[in-house]
Amino acid sequence: AQSVTQLDSQVPVFEEAPVELRCNYSSSVSVYLFWYVQYPNQGLQLLLKYLSGSTLVKGINGFEAEFNKSQTSFHLRKPSVHISDTAEYFCAVTLSNTGKLIFGQGTTLQVKP
Amino acid sequence: GAGVSQTPSNKVTEKGKYVELRCDPISGHTALYWYRQSLGQGPEFLIYFQGTGAADDSGLPNDRFFAVRPEGSVSTLKIQRTERGDSAVYLCASSLNGGGGTDTQYFGPGTRLTVL
Repeated sequence: AQSVTQLDSQVPVFEEAPVELRCNYSSSVSVYLFWYVQYPNQGLQLLLKYLSGSTLVKGINGFEAEFNKSQTSFHLRKPSVHISDTAEYFCAVTLSNTGKLIFGQGTTLQVKP
Repeated sequence: GAGVSQTPSNKVTEKGKYVELRCDPISGHTALYWYRQSLGQGPEFLIYFQGTGAADDSGLPNDRFFAVRPEGSVSTLKIQRTERGDSAVYLCASSLNGGGGTDTQYFGPGTRLTVL
């Protein structure tokens, strides 16, 4: 069975500082990887996804993530955060033969002025 | 165009009652998904429709939960004999093709269900 672990439940960071949100997954088969963001009182929105090819994936709002197969990780990074990045971030995986997303527990990113 | 919409946005019911939650997917999307998000947790898969049929219902917790999508568009999640543990935000998502895992799923704002 597949599973996703987000190692940090909360990440406080000052505005304009860099941030990394960690995600590790477990699967015996190849997976596709996603990061979603949930702003307060809004629905989940796709930030980026890794399907194949280059292991460095760029997404919206200046975020990027790197797929590391040997470490089964897909960490999310941003070089300089803004107050508006304050939100809940979810890492997720799915298999090639199903659309079922398996989510991690989420990481709350709190950007302080 | 419009995104995924869900109604009602909030539903309060009493233990033992029956509830229906509605999802309107993005027009033209053939795949539709239901997830449940409990407080402090990530969304948990319930069921996935490809067209009118349930392609994967492995996430439904028990036989009190049932979902339909009779015309391949709007879907209704039905919960019988609600229990306090059913309290959660129920999320609906749709994608253009479904089937494989590469499709982007677009999520609605959710229905917050509270069972008293």
